[in-house]
Amino acid sequence: AQSVTQLDSQVPVFEEAPVELRCNYSSSVSVYLFWYVQYPNQGLQLLLKYLSGSTLVKGINGFEAEFNKSQTSFHLRKPSVHISDTAEYFCAVSDLGGNTPLVFGKGTRLSVIA
Amino acid sequence: DAGVTQSPTHLIKTRGQHVTLRCSPISGHKSVSWYQQVLGQGPQFIFQYYEKEERGRGNFPDRFSARQFPNYSSELNVNALLLGDSALYLCASSLTGFEQYFGPGTRLTVT
Repeated sequence: AQSVTQLDSQVPVFEEAPVELRCNYSSSVSVYLFWYVQYPNQGLQLLLKYLSGSTLVKGINGFEAEFNKSQTSFHLRKPSVHISDTAEYFCAVSDLGGNTPLVFGKGTRLSVIA
Repeated sequence: DAGVTQSPTHLIKTRGQHVTLRCSPISGHKSVSWYQQVLGQGPQFIFQYYEKEERGRGNFPDRFSARQFPNYSSELNVNALLLGDSALYLCASSLTGFEQYFGPGTRLTVT
C-alpha cells in the first residue's frame, strides 16, 4: 500500500524568505503526486500536481514542486513566502489508472512570521 | 461554476445516533469520494463512487455507508456514532479520476 511521509510537522519561516516542504512517498511504481493547501476551517485546495512530463511543476500562488523518481520525493518550494501562505500543506499520491483514492501525508504546518 | 458543496457545515450528535452528510459535485463530475480528517492528521479515504457504483472502500467499519444518486450527488451515512467519529468529513469530486477537488467539509462533533 502507498504511504506518504511529510518529514516536517511544523515549519516556521520569516516573511519573504524561501521555504521547502518535504514529501517522500513509498511506491517505486508510477504514481500521480499532488500538493494541497488547507486554510483554517476550510477544505483542501489543489496547489499543484504531477501527472507526467516535466519533473518541475508550477502551481498557484508562486509554489512549485520537483518530482524525483529515484528518491521518491516531491518537495514543495516557494522562493519568497507571504503571511497569507500560513496554512497546513498536504502531500498526496495516487496510483496510475484513474479513479484511485488519494493517500495523504500527515501535513506540514507552515507558519510565516512577520 | 460552483465548486463542491457539502451540507451541513457543522453537526453535533450524541453517541449511538446516526448521521447523514451530503455532497454535490462540480457540474459534470461523475466521481465522488469521501474522506475523514481527524484533527491534526491528513485525510483518510472512506469511499469512492463513480457513475453510482462503489469503486473503492477504505479501512472503515460497516457503520459507514454511502451512495451516489443519478444526479451524481452523494450521501455518507454513519450509524451508531462513536466519540472517535468526530472529524471533518470531506467530499471530493473528479472529472478525470486523477484530480480531485474538495468541498469545504462537514465538521462532525460526537458527544
